[in-house]
Amino acid sequence: RKEVEQDPGPFNVPEGATVAFNCTYSNSASQSFFWYRQDCRKEPKLLMSVYSSGNEDGRFTAQLNRASQYISLLIRDSKLSDSATYLCVVMNYGGSQGNLIFGKGTKLSVKP
Amino acid sequence: DTGVSQDPRHKITKRGQNVTFRCDPISEHNRLYWYRQTLGQGPEFLTYFQNEAQLEKSRLLSDRFSAERPKGSFSTLEIQRTEQGDSAMYLCASSSNRGTRSTNEKLFFGSGTQLSVL
Repeated sequence: RKEVEQDPGPFNVPEGATVAFNCTYSNSASQSFFWYRQDCRKEPKLLMSVYSSGNEDGRFTAQLNRASQYISLLIRDSKLSDSATYLCVVMNYGGSQGNLIFGKGTKLSVKP
Repeated sequence: DTGVSQDPRHKITKRGQNVTFRCDPISEHNRLYWYRQTLGQGPEFLTYFQNEAQLEKSRLLSDRFSAERPKGSFSTLEIQRTEQGDSAMYLCASSSNRGTRSTNEKLFFGSGTQLSVL
């Protein structure tokens, strides 16, 4: 089983739609969680950290369920510029001193 | 430009040749990471440094791969006797974690070096 698994893509949605991405992780000792965004042929960039209480940044809402080892990202009122690959990322501090484990990513395509 | 820079952007080489990539992190960042990414996959961790010390290496990093960060600033990643399976985007990232261990470490990535082994 992969350490970080994401919804298979691609997601093709119209502008203004609400879209949700899910992610599960296998290491119960994982301590930090993030969503990164990667545009085509570009480097990943941090979109937002994910906190236990859930957090929101404008149209983006991230949630964490430690019991189920599940992370989600909700995008409301999607824009054409949201088209990208969204990477679920987990950081482990157990025996491993701080490396990020990336999921394969879910591709989002927002159409006019 | 004060971001992470990588050189070269692209490298085409023949199988069996050696290649070396360079990464210059953000100047005040003490941690430096190397990742590899192939099409349709997320970045895979290769190794990371805290200052000049290489603290962890992935099992993906065969003995043909070596990374250095001699003065705790820039880093090099060398691949010896390249194979076609080494073709990928090699990403460098840096972060700052000075003082106590942070549980919310933001990585800044460079644009990567795209390696093609013919």
